Amino acid sequence: KAGVTQTPRYLIKTRGQQVTLSCSPISGHRSVSWYQQTPGQGLQFLFEYFSETQRNKGNFPGRFSGRQFSNSRSEMNVSTLELGDSALYLCASSFRLAGFDEQYFGPGTRLTVT
Amino acid sequence: AQTVTQSQPEMSVQEAETVTLSCTYDTSENNYYLFWYKQPPSRQMILVIRQEAYKQQNATENRFSVNFQKAAKSFSLKISDSQLGDTAMYFCAFRRDYGGSQGNLIFGKGTKLSVKP
Repeated sequence: KAGVTQTPRYLIKTRGQQVTLSCSPISGHRSVSWYQQTPGQGLQFLFEYFSETQRNKGNFPGRFSGRQFSNSRSEMNVSTLELGDSALYLCASSFRLAGFDEQYFGPGTRLTVT
Repeated sequence: AQTVTQSQPEMSVQEAETVTLSCTYDTSENNYYLFWYKQPPSRQMILVIRQEAYKQQNATENRFSVNFQKAAKSFSLKISDSQLGDTAMYFCAFRRDYGGSQGNLIFGKGTKLSVKP
């Protein structure tokens, strides 16, 4: 089975622009979560989508948004980019097995804002 | 709110030796999971081991084992017979169990482990 894929792997944007990142979960996984990883703040939860609905949300400003499509693929969007948005954005897909959500991470998208 | 603390930013160990990474957490929940994740320099996050809070027995996975002290809210990872491929960032993580669903992962800041030949 193919793993979680994220595109693009690297991205350079300018302050004020917007960006869209994509995540394709493992086949059959219906839940997708997004995390931001920075040296200063570490790994922080952004949001989770399940069956096209946002199920959980972290403490990020409204500039960060996401959505999930009927095929479970997910996108996250960051508008009006700031220098502090430079980070590795990780996506994780999960499925329930014996009452436990097995979660698998993608390789991440490295976003650099200049 | 739940917090996860890893007090060792960096550690090193000689190949074939044993190393223990520390993690403490704070929660008022009774049902939760604890995890250790490994993130090698290639960046792909990999689950190393997990522990259900309701289980008293410590989890083991080959060379990896945990020491789960629920009352002390401590969850350390022991790596035996360290290998060069164990070089990575290690993250301790917490996740609530709501019964019907599970919450998001809350991570510690990580411990950078270097295995030296």
